[in-house]
Amino acid sequence: QSVLTQPPSASGTPGQRVTISCSGSSSNIGSNSVYWYQQLPGTAPKLLIYRNNQRPSGVPDRFSGSKSGTSASLAISGLRSEDEADYYCAAWDASLRGPVFGGGTKLTVL
Amino acid sequence: EVQLVQSGAEVKKPGESLKISCKGSGYSFTSYWIGWVRQTPGKGLEWMGIIYPPDSDTKYSPSFQGQVTISVDKSISTAHLQWRSLEASDTAMYYCARVTRDAISGYLQPFDHWGQGTLVTVSS
Repeated sequence: QSVLTQPPSASGTPGQRVTISCSGSSSNIGSNSVYWYQQLPGTAPKLLIYRNNQRPSGVPDRFSGSKSGTSASLAISGLRSEDEADYYCAAWDASLRGPVFGGGTKLTVL
Repeated sequence: EVQLVQSGAEVKKPGESLKISCKGSGYSFTSYWIGWVRQTPGKGLEWMGIIYPPDSDTKYSPSFQGQVTISVDKSISTAHLQWRSLEASDTAMYYCARVTRDAISGYLQPFDHWGQGTLVTVSS
């Protein structure tokens, strides 16, 4: 059971916009920034979004993040086949004094 | 370019000990905390602990306290994750990752760069 809650799966067709939600509590998302990672099959997680809505260099602007209260969302617009991956949210937890993760969302591009 | 390069896959028997490594390069190794993350098919990503290379200050997740030991050798920019007695349930992929610090608040934040992972298999 992960500290942050994500839907286990999401799907969309090429060109569509999909969103993935992440729910937490006041000790993590409510008081700290949200990070998002993309994990392609057989590879390590890769930072996609930091500080709620910032993209590292090289990440396409099709990926965007938002946060409100104790929840956050990742949006992917103009969906492409190469976006098929697992997506994880994360935030620092003040009670645990360390990072906590969501259970991951498997995105399928139909 | 920031790189974290981990040691290779391991196959061990229950009860055996193991130490895996993670070597950082392309940045000031002593300026960032380094963490370890376990990934299993059933439980996703789990934070195990983090260590600060300059003084080896270590924080463990309650779930892993007493189960593993995290250490660092700053002279060779390498962090380690160690088990004294492996169990089958330790079978997983283990990642090292660099902890970030928020540029405004200075508070520690989740990871930015990750190693390629070390697969540990424990089986009799």
